[in-house]
Amino acid sequence: SQKIEQNSEALNIQEGKTATLTCNYTNYSPAYLQWYRQDPGRGPVFLLLIRENEKEKRKERLKVTFDTTLKQSLFHITASQPADSATYLCALDDRGSTLGRLYFGRGTQLTVWP
Amino acid sequence: EADIYQTPRYLVIGTGKKITLECSQTMGHDKMYWYQQDPGMELHLIHYSYGVNSTEKGDLSSESTVSRIRTEHFPLTLESARPSHTSQYLCASIVSGGNEQFFGPGTRLTVL
Repeated sequence: SQKIEQNSEALNIQEGKTATLTCNYTNYSPAYLQWYRQDPGRGPVFLLLIRENEKEKRKERLKVTFDTTLKQSLFHITASQPADSATYLCALDDRGSTLGRLYFGRGTQLTVWP
Repeated sequence: EADIYQTPRYLVIGTGKKITLECSQTMGHDKMYWYQQDPGMELHLIHYSYGVNSTEKGDLSSESTVSRIRTEHFPLTLESARPSHTSQYLCASIVSGGNEQFFGPGTRLTVL
């Protein structure tokens, strides 16, 4: 069956440290993978997209890697701040599906404490 | 921030009522989606639309219906609400040829 698994439901780190979130997938064939941020009671907000032929993508303090052999993406937030506290969702497409739809993981809740 | 709107933001209703959740976007996006999300769970696609007069059911079985008469408007209707419909409903859109989905703020529905 198809699965998207994100590491531990919650991750707590100290301000200034690097947060690393994991997304593993099974039985999907994605052309790209995306990361979204979701705050309580709000809709997800797009952060980064990485394509299958890209190893790494950066945006300010964010870095994403994508390993199609391991079927895994890592999402890093460097110099983390309390304002980074949120749930982070991994999402991917699947070549077998239509309409460019996305499949989402359950998310990892990140808490950054001062 | 993307221009996609959902109303109402919160709704508490009794069993058996008919409700319509509104979703509008001003970006001219062709593709629109409705997701259902319970706390701590993944988003489940319940309906999607390629464009005007095009609607399809998603993965999650849903007793709701949708319509797409105008590009900017994608309402979701529940003919007879039940407690099992209690959830958060998220609307999203995407430009043709694009990948990033823009989400509305969601409607938190509680059916008593």
